Amino acid sequence: NAGVMQNPRHLVRRRGQEARLRCSPMKGHSHVYWYRQLPEEGLKFMVYLQKENIIDESGMPKERFSAEFPKEGPSILRIQQVVRGDSAAYFCASSPGTADQKLFFGSGTQLSVL
Amino acid sequence: DAKTTQPTSMDCAEGRAANLPCNHSTISGNEYVYWYRQIHSQGPQYIIHGLKNNETNEMASLIITEDRKSSTLILPHATLRDTAVYYCIVRGSTDSWGKLQFGAGTQVVVTP
Repeated sequence: NAGVMQNPRHLVRRRGQEARLRCSPMKGHSHVYWYRQLPEEGLKFMVYLQKENIIDESGMPKERFSAEFPKEGPSILRIQQVVRGDSAAYFCASSPGTADQKLFFGSGTQLSVL
Repeated sequence: DAKTTQPTSMDCAEGRAANLPCNHSTISGNEYVYWYRQIHSQGPQYIIHGLKNNETNEMASLIITEDRKSSTLILPHATLRDTAVYYCIVRGSTDSWGKLQFGAGTQVVVTP
């Protein structure tokens, strides 16, 4: 059973470009969470999604950031017009539901903005 | 939401037990204690969680004090691969599932 798959592993963008980060949850998992880890800082919750629904986006920056988890395909975290401050490791996690309280994390996408 | 306090770092000799303390004096009655760890450059890994009773699994044991104001994660036989940052987290009772507030954690270094 494959774990949470994130790609790309590394992503380099120039200021003003768009970044799209993908996350495929574990098989059978319908809940996806995105976290961000800025350099030398702890992990911060961004957003919680279920299929086709955003459940909690209280950690998402108000502008330029969006997330989706379509009925088919991976979850996408999209960052428009990236700035250097967006450089960070972005981690996706999944869980089968609320009854199982474990989160399974992917290996992350390291975003570098030049 | 309850906050946690952990030592910044600790060393442990390979093969010995590692006892990682965590204080959560403001924890509410229905808030769980979670432990995750993050090995360098990897995503966090779930270790164990508990509410009131002590818990044990194949990775570790979790000892929660009777008043629930503190807990201890025990790695029974530390190996070099256990070197990581260990996070003690109390999930807020009003937070959505999966919304975990990671602090700075404890950097554990296991030495030969």
